[in-house]
Amino acid sequence: GEDVEQSLFLSVREGDSSVINCTYTDSSSTYLYWYKQEPGAGLQLLTYIFSNMDMKQDQRLTVLLNKKDKHLSLRIADTQTGDSAIYFCAEDILGFQKLVFGTGTRLLVSP
Amino acid sequence: GAVVSQHPSWVICKSGTSVKIECRSLDFQATTMFWYRQFPKQSLMLMATSNEGSKATYEQGVEKDKFLINHASLTLSTLTVTSAHPEDSSFYICSARDPWGVYREATNEQFFGPGTRLTVL
Repeated sequence: GEDVEQSLFLSVREGDSSVINCTYTDSSSTYLYWYKQEPGAGLQLLTYIFSNMDMKQDQRLTVLLNKKDKHLSLRIADTQTGDSAIYFCAEDILGFQKLVFGTGTRLLVSP
Repeated sequence: GAVVSQHPSWVICKSGTSVKIECRSLDFQATTMFWYRQFPKQSLMLMATSNEGSKATYEQGVEKDKFLINHASLTLSTLTVTSAHPEDSSFYICSARDPWGVYREATNEQFFGPGTRLTVL
């Protein structure tokens, strides 16, 4: 099945780290992605991880993948008010050539 | 690079009319484009996969006669919402793959348009 779950809301203070979690059910994914969506806008790819990796770091972003538990997380270091947005994880379903998106996590960063 | 545009960015129409939304890849050729629908405070739901020169593949539950998709060139796909009703009001987002890897970071990466907000009165 294709079911990708995220917690709905996360609130942090500026300068803190944010951790957004995602669980998925389909183990055939080749890539897992994190997208950012600002109000009324399309999606911006933040980072991705290949399914045979455990971790990927990209500047302030760290992605952790636990394939055994089908758990993906995105850590944003030194979170800024400009990071306030909705974050979606997505998996690329092998063979179907399509993305299945998570439910989205609304991140609110307060000064 | 890897810019995908949508037109219009927003549209308001009367119930019963048809609305066409365009999705263009501006600096790369996209053999495959995707159309998503997003309700307020919800995730993106894939509606259909549009392949250049062939019929679109619709997801389960999406009416192909209501949501007409045409992908006549490698840079343009259109979604026409026919006989629109208030329940069709939504945010429609397209995306495009860059199959030749001109701009891709990851295999099968999709580049998203800015979305079109449709309001049906």
